[in-house]
Order: sequence, then C-alpha cells, then structure tokens
Amino acid sequence: ETGVTQSPTHLIKTRGQQVTLRCSSQSGHNTVSWYQQALGQGPQFIFQYYREEENGRGNFPPRFSGLQFPNYSSELNVNALELDDSALYLCASSRTGSNTGELFFGEGSRLTVL
Amino acid sequence: GENVEQHPSTLSVQEGDSAVIKCTYSDSASNYFPWYKQELGKRPQLIIDIRSNVGEKKDQRIAVTLNKTAKHFSLHITETQPEDSAVYFCAAGSNNAGNMLTFGGGTRLMVKP
Repeated sequence: ETGVTQSPTHLIKTRGQQVTLRCSSQSGHNTVSWYQQALGQGPQFIFQYYREEENGRGNFPPRFSGLQFPNYSSELNVNALELDDSALYLCASSRTGSNTGELFFGEGSRLTVL
Repeated sequence: GENVEQHPSTLSVQEGDSAVIKCTYSDSASNYFPWYKQELGKRPQLIIDIRSNVGEKKDQRIAVTLNKTAKHFSLHITETQPEDSAVYFCAAGSNNAGNMLTFGGGTRLMVKP
C-alpha cells in the first residue's frame, strides 16, 4: 500500500511569488485535505477536495487555491506569497464513505518565504 | 466555527509515570475526536480516536475519554517510555462534514529516562 507523498519537500520563495505544491493520495483514498502548520502550532485546515471539487474550506483567502485530478492526486497553489505563508504544508488523504474517515498525512512541504 | 483548546502546552514526566493531556471544543456538532502524535520533522500519525457515541476507548497504554456534555476530551498515557516523547495534537471534526479537522495547539511531551 503506497502512502501519501508530497513534493517538493522544501522550497524557498520570495514575497509576491507563486507556488504549487503536489500530493499523491494513499491507494484507495478519494479525498484530499490540505493543512498549514506554522512553527510550534497545530495544523490549520485550508480546504478539502472530493470528486475533483472543493467541498470544504477553512479561513484562508482566495489566493490559496487547489485542484484534484481524476487519479485523486491534488495540488495546492498559493499566489502573491506573504512572509506569513512560511509554514509546513501537509496533505492528508482519506476515504469518504469509510467507517473511520481517518486522515493519513504526508511528510509535508516546508515553504519559506523571504 | 469549531475552536479547540489544548492544555498543557508542555509536559515533562519521568519514565513510567502517567501523562494526561486535555482538550476542549466548542461546536456541539463535532462527533469525531482523533489524537495525533508528531515526532520532530515527521508527519502527524493517528494514535487513537473516539466518536461521540462512546465515553472511553483504550488501546494498550493509551486511553481517551470524552465528556460530550462538558465538551472536553482527554488523552491518557500510562507507563510512559522515552519513545513517547513527541508533540501530541487533539482534534475535533464531524464525519458528516468529511472529517475536516480543527486541531488544538499541541502538547510537547518529554519523558525523562
């Protein structure tokens, strides 16, 4: 069984730039969620994708956007990067309709904005 | 929206002692309460979860209790070991809403040998 994989693992951007982060969900999972984890804090929910559509969103501005592809993989795009966007971005996959709904996290993409 | 508060933020115990971490939540619609362990530089991993139709769940040295009326839930680790040292996060969500979780701020547990 293949786990959740994310790329890139680390990246550095400057303020105002755009970034795309990628996530491959665990085999058999159809739902992908993205979380932002600032240093020393708990993960914060950004949004969730199911059947290639956003079906839930946290308190993040529209410059955070995403996609889900037919193979259930996903992208997170952030435009007009700000210094406060520096964080670990975690992707989690799950299976909507399962009894548990357990989230399986990837190792994350650490974004530094200078 | 949901708000989850977690205490304490740091906890230091001697090996073999018990550790208790407490969380409160605000949204009465939440019905799923997982606990995640995150080691330094690693992904969060689910260690135990509880749903609102039960009050307690145990898995070896780990137990979770839930008080729906008071809107609080707790993680109990008995006979702590150095490898239990990590950051622990509680979370709340609703499996009617795709388990979009709201996390607490985390507890850094240090187990001294």
